[in-house]
Amino acid sequence: AQSVTQLDSQVPVFEEAPVELRCNYSSSVSVYLFWYVQYPNQGLQLLLKYLSGSTLVESINGFEAEFNKSQTSFHLRKPSVHISDTAEYFCAVSPNSGGYQKVTFGTGTKLQVIP
Amino acid sequence: GAVVSQHPSRVICKSGTSVKIECRSLDFQATTMFWYRQFPKKSLMLMATSNEGSKATYEQGVEKDKFLINHASLTLSTLTVTSAHPEDSSFYICSASRRNQETQYFGPGTRLLVL
Repeated sequence: AQSVTQLDSQVPVFEEAPVELRCNYSSSVSVYLFWYVQYPNQGLQLLLKYLSGSTLVESINGFEAEFNKSQTSFHLRKPSVHISDTAEYFCAVSPNSGGYQKVTFGTGTKLQVIP
Repeated sequence: GAVVSQHPSRVICKSGTSVKIECRSLDFQATTMFWYRQFPKKSLMLMATSNEGSKATYEQGVEKDKFLINHASLTLSTLTVTSAHPEDSSFYICSASRRNQETQYFGPGTRLLVL
C-alpha cells in the first residue's frame, strides 16, 4: 500500500517570489514519483517525474523536484513564479515494479500567484 | 508527444438517461487506459483500469453495471454512465499509457451535469 500527503491545500505567493510545494509519501516498496499540474477546467498535465538516476529532476518551465529517500519526500520548487503558474498541483506515486502499477495521487495544492 | 483527447468536454443530461464519454490517444497506442472521477476540491479517484481487448478492472466501490467501460482498440476507450442521476455529476478524466510504461497521459476531462 502507498499514500501521498500534500499538507498544504493552498499556497499564496507573490509574483517573482520562490515557492515550495510539499509532498511526502509512504510505501513499502521502491517508487516512481510524479508531479502533475491542473489548470482550471482542464485535465492533468505531467510536470516532471522521478524514475531513477539523479534525484533532482527539472521541468521545461523552471520547476524542479528532489527525491529524498530518507525523508520520503518529493517537494516541488520554483525560484521565481509567474502569474501563469497559478494552478493546482498534484503529487503522485506508483510502485517501481516495471510496467503499469496503480498511481496514487495526493489531494492537491492550489498555487495562487499574486500580482 | 502523447496527446489524449476526450469528447465531449461538457455534457448536461436529464436524470435517467445514459451518457457516453470517449477517450482517445491521438498519437500513440494506449494499451492501458484509466478512468478517474474528480470531486470538487478533491484528488482523483481511480474508477477502473482497462487493457485493450480485455474487461475493465474496477476499483472497490465502483459499480461496473453503472459505469460501463469499453476499450475496443488501442486508441479508444469509452465510459458510459448508465441511468445517470444527479449524484453522478462530476468531472471525469481519462488517462492512457503505453505498453509497460509507467507514465500516464491525461485527457482534458469531461464535466457531467445530471439534472
